[in-house]
Amino acid sequence: DAGVIQSPRHEVTEMGQEVTLRCKPISGHNSLFWYRQTMMRGLELLIYFNNNVPIDDSGMPEDRFSAKMPNASFSTLKIQPSEPRDSAVYFCASRRQGSYNEQFFGPGTRLTVL
Amino acid sequence: AQTVTQSQPEMSVQEAETVTLSCTYDTSESDYYLFWYKQPPSRQMILVIRQEAYKQQNATENRFSVNFQKAAKSFSLKISDSQLGDAAMYFCAYGAGNMLTFGGGTRLMVKP
Repeated sequence: DAGVIQSPRHEVTEMGQEVTLRCKPISGHNSLFWYRQTMMRGLELLIYFNNNVPIDDSGMPEDRFSAKMPNASFSTLKIQPSEPRDSAVYFCASRRQGSYNEQFFGPGTRLTVL
Repeated sequence: AQTVTQSQPEMSVQEAETVTLSCTYDTSESDYYLFWYKQPPSRQMILVIRQEAYKQQNATENRFSVNFQKAAKSFSLKISDSQLGDAAMYFCAYGAGNMLTFGGGTRLMVKP
């Protein structure tokens, strides 16, 4: 089992540019979560999907952020246009429904917006 | 809304000794799960231990054990025989339904 895969691991971009973060959940997991981690705010849930359908996006900070899950094995988080305050580590996690509610995390993407 | 509080921003322990990290939570649910996650400098979030709220017996995983006090809504993590590799951020998390709520974390330092 390869675990949750995220790409890229590091991203440095300039303010105003579009950023796309990618996630492949563990095979057989049907819930997927996007988190953001910063020193100031800790670990925040941005959005989660069940069976590829967005269930709760109340954590998405503003319209510049969007997330998609076109199929069970792939999800993207897009920021357009990016701003310096978006600099953070973004985690993707997945979970198998009916399990103990535990989530398995990817290695994260460290985003720096200059 | 559920909240999770870790009152110790930093803790320090001597190698081979025992340390306890505290966590309290607030909920009106009766059926839920509690977790401790470890985040080393690599930043990977690693599940350390899990506790089902309906179980009275405290969970253990090798050197890691919990003290679950449901009435007090307390869920502490005990690390025995601390090792240098235990140095990390530790996050307590509450889970009910699909979502997890995380505490602010405790940074554990291990002194050789």
